[in-house]
Amino acid sequence: QSVLTQPPSVSAAPGQKVTISCSGSSSNIANNYISWYQQLPGTAPKLLIYENDKRPSGIPDRFSGSKSGTSATLGITGLQTGDEADYYCGTWDSSLTAGGYVFGTGTKVTVL
Amino acid sequence: QVQLQESGPGLVKPSQTLSLTCTVSGGSISSSGYYWSWIRQPAGKGLEWIGRIYTSGTTNYNPSLKSRVTVSLDTSKNQFSLKLSSVTAADTAIYYCARRVVATYYFDYWGQGTLVTVSS
Repeated sequence: QSVLTQPPSVSAAPGQKVTISCSGSSSNIANNYISWYQQLPGTAPKLLIYENDKRPSGIPDRFSGSKSGTSATLGITGLQTGDEADYYCGTWDSSLTAGGYVFGTGTKVTVL
Repeated sequence: QVQLQESGPGLVKPSQTLSLTCTVSGGSISSSGYYWSWIRQPAGKGLEWIGRIYTSGTTNYNPSLKSRVTVSLDTSKNQFSLKLSSVTAADTAIYYCARRVVATYYFDYWGQGTLVTVSS
């Protein structure tokens, strides 16, 4: 049971925009950087966004990240069929019960 | 370019110990500044962080797995390993190894993952 909550699924037509939320608490998101990962079917997760809003080399600027308080958001514009994947947020949690790195529940993006 | 590759038995019997190794290439596991981690994913489910080890040998584990997990380093082989004891069917998952830079909150390199099934 993850301490970071994401919507199970989001969908939009090609070319449109989707946003994925990641909700946490003061022991995780509020006090640490968030990262986002893209997991294409049958593959390992891939770093998409780090330190809330930075993109690794090679990640297009169609992908963006933001954070406010205990929540974070991943945005994908100009949606493409190749963006169909599961997306996870992640950060460090300093609580005694969940202490360690925590991932979100995951969101499946479907391109209609 | 850093690469990570998991290896180990794909089938483990219930109550036994799961053992996996991650071989790192393109960089030294002894270099300071990195955490080497294990993450797993049951079929159709989300990611779960298992634990990490620093170059010094310091470890941190997921509280829910702490009593059963050991992560260790073998610098001579540029590898790190995972041992998970007393496994049950609930431990069936794809196991990934990954690298995280110290003082950051993201995993920049991942292995391709290896499926471990717990079954008699």
